[in-house]
Amino acid sequence: QSALTQPASVSGSPGQSITISCTGTSSDVGSYNFVSWYQQYPGKAPKLMIYEVTKRPSGVSNRFSGSKSGNTASLTISGLQAEDEADYYCCSSASSTSWVFGGGTKLTVL
Amino acid sequence: QVQLQESGPGLVKSSETLSLTCTVSGGSISSYYWSWIRQPPGKGLEWIGDIYYSGSTNYNPSLKSRVTISGDTSKKQFSLKLSSVTAADTAVYYCGSQHSGSYMFDYWGQGTLVTVSS
Repeated sequence: QSALTQPASVSGSPGQSITISCTGTSSDVGSYNFVSWYQQYPGKAPKLMIYEVTKRPSGVSNRFSGSKSGNTASLTISGLQAEDEADYYCCSSASSTSWVFGGGTKLTVL
Repeated sequence: QVQLQESGPGLVKSSETLSLTCTVSGGSISSYYWSWIRQPPGKGLEWIGDIYYSGSTNYNPSLKSRVTISGDTSKKQFSLKLSSVTAADTAVYYCGSQHSGSYMFDYWGQGTLVTVSS
């Protein structure tokens, strides 16, 4: 299983919306609605932001939303805030018993 | 609220076996998959494998030949052994949880850096 493909970096100004893509294959993203997204600050553990493509855990801002089309999943952050500056990782089921992560995207808030 | 804490040596010699333990507190160990995930410095996350509370295991195919994950439910601990390590295994190692029937890593340990030295 190969890592999912994410852009290395994205940027946006406060208040704007950005979208991070996560491209896999028909064997992972395309086959399962089990895509999750994680936010990671430097030196910290990842934090779950989105699960099962579109669902938000309790406590996560509704500015974060997820979607999927074919083999590509996306994370959209609306109303960008300075505190959103972090690394973001997607993750997908790659089979009934394994998982694969994306390479990560560094979000810069200008 | 489940809390996870990794422990183990921070330095391992090349060709030897890396051993880490994750201790679970604040919740039941039952009905969860307990995972190991690693992150080389400056790089992305890699799922290593998991163990169900019943003892069944799953491994990343790329690491399967070198990985063993075991658990001790009485101590609420699960462990990782990675054999024949090289510099490429230098990473922050995280333990994480996934409730049975859910498809997300909802709780994570703080991570522990393991450096492989020659």
